[in-house]
Amino acid sequence: GDSVTQMEGPVTLSEEAFLTINCTYTATGYPSLFWYVQYPGEGLQLLLKATKADDKGSNKGFEATYRKETTSFHLEKGSVQVSDSAVYFCALSQNSGGSNYKLTFGKGTLLTVNP
Amino acid sequence: DGGITQSPKYLFRKEGQNVTLSCEQNLNHDAMYWYRQDPGQGLRLIYYSQIVNDFQKGDIAEGYSVSREKKESFPLTVTSAQKNPTAFYLCASSIPGTGTYEQYFGPGTRLTVT
Repeated sequence: GDSVTQMEGPVTLSEEAFLTINCTYTATGYPSLFWYVQYPGEGLQLLLKATKADDKGSNKGFEATYRKETTSFHLEKGSVQVSDSAVYFCALSQNSGGSNYKLTFGKGTLLTVNP
Repeated sequence: DGGITQSPKYLFRKEGQNVTLSCEQNLNHDAMYWYRQDPGQGLRLIYYSQIVNDFQKGDIAEGYSVSREKKESFPLTVTSAQKNPTAFYLCASSIPGTGTYEQYFGPGTRLTVT
């Protein structure tokens, strides 16, 4: 079946440091890929997405490129802020039969940014 | 503003009691989902519904039940048969067939059973 593997956390960075959170996936066909962010005590918010190979999703300074050859969708940000502290989830969406589309999530990576 | 509401934010129950978690959306989305989140385990799908009066089991449906009588509402009942019900529960919705299939999440309900 489909699966998503993210780098394990926690990740601790100083403000203005460069961020990379690795994500690789296993899926048949051509899934859509997503990064979601979860702030403490809240639900998930869609951060960015990419729907086909070589697409780059971007939002709020975060970027990720859909690499089919390496089955990866790594999240990057050039300069993190304290307000970026959260849990980040990589996910893929695949047609699971008929009109059913199911999201498969990684286990999440906790990011803490210190001032 | 359109969105998904879940109530209550915190819920406490005694072991052996059934409890129902509310999920309402005004996004006019056809599909709705329930996930369970435990520390370090990501999200696991409990049930989902693509249209009114129809729903399917997800990966961990045992001990849970749902109904979908209205497009806007998808309540989840945690029954006494669920062996470890304490968790954070998230409801989501989406529009099937949009091409990207992203899901939009509510703020969650933290259930504690003692």
